[in-house]
Amino acid sequence: GQQVMQIPQYQHVQEGEDFTTYCNSSTTLSNIQWYKQRPGGHPVFLIQLVKSGEVKKQKRLTFQFGEAKKNSSLHITATQTTDVGTYFCAGQNYGGSQGNLIFGKGTKLSVKP
Amino acid sequence: DGGITQSPKYLFRKEGQNVTLSCEQNLNHDAMYWYRQDPGQGLRLIYYSQIVNDFQKGDIAEGYSVSREKKESFPLTVTSAQKNPTAFYLCASSTQGVPYNEQFFGPGTRLTVL
Repeated sequence: GQQVMQIPQYQHVQEGEDFTTYCNSSTTLSNIQWYKQRPGGHPVFLIQLVKSGEVKKQKRLTFQFGEAKKNSSLHITATQTTDVGTYFCAGQNYGGSQGNLIFGKGTKLSVKP
Repeated sequence: DGGITQSPKYLFRKEGQNVTLSCEQNLNHDAMYWYRQDPGQGLRLIYYSQIVNDFQKGDIAEGYSVSREKKESFPLTVTSAQKNPTAFYLCASSTQGVPYNEQFFGPGTRLTVL
């Protein structure tokens, strides 16, 4: 069935280094969302991308949606200890049930101060 | 203060017992969802409901049941038929409408079956 693959599974960085996580879908997506889950917490919505080739920025975070709408990335510039957590992408199919998201397995980011 | 509440935060049950997890939202959202999260795994959809008195199976519905008698409530029952019920359970809700259907998550219930 439909899958959203996310890599890497884990990433350990030194504070100040950059971080990127990638998502790939086996089929074309109508949109993709990104969530962050802090340790011991619940997922919190970060952003949604809808258009082919879309790029959105939130301070040090840059989100991209591929031209074919099959892949996406999240890039964090100059990581801080507050960035620690697991980042999930979640894609929605064309014609899929309303709100039925397919989540990637997430990338767990740890930041060494 | 609007949001989603799940209770309890931690739940322990003996094997063979059914257990019901509560989920309540006061966001006036039409859609509600139940996910299961295991260590190192993403969120897997158990059931979802887009309107009162209607719900659909997700990817891993076997061994679970739900009801949606009120807009604000979507309880999940983990039955004894669920072979590996120990997990972190997350409830979420969203508005209807494409494509702006950001999901709001509750704090989760960590279920341990002994």
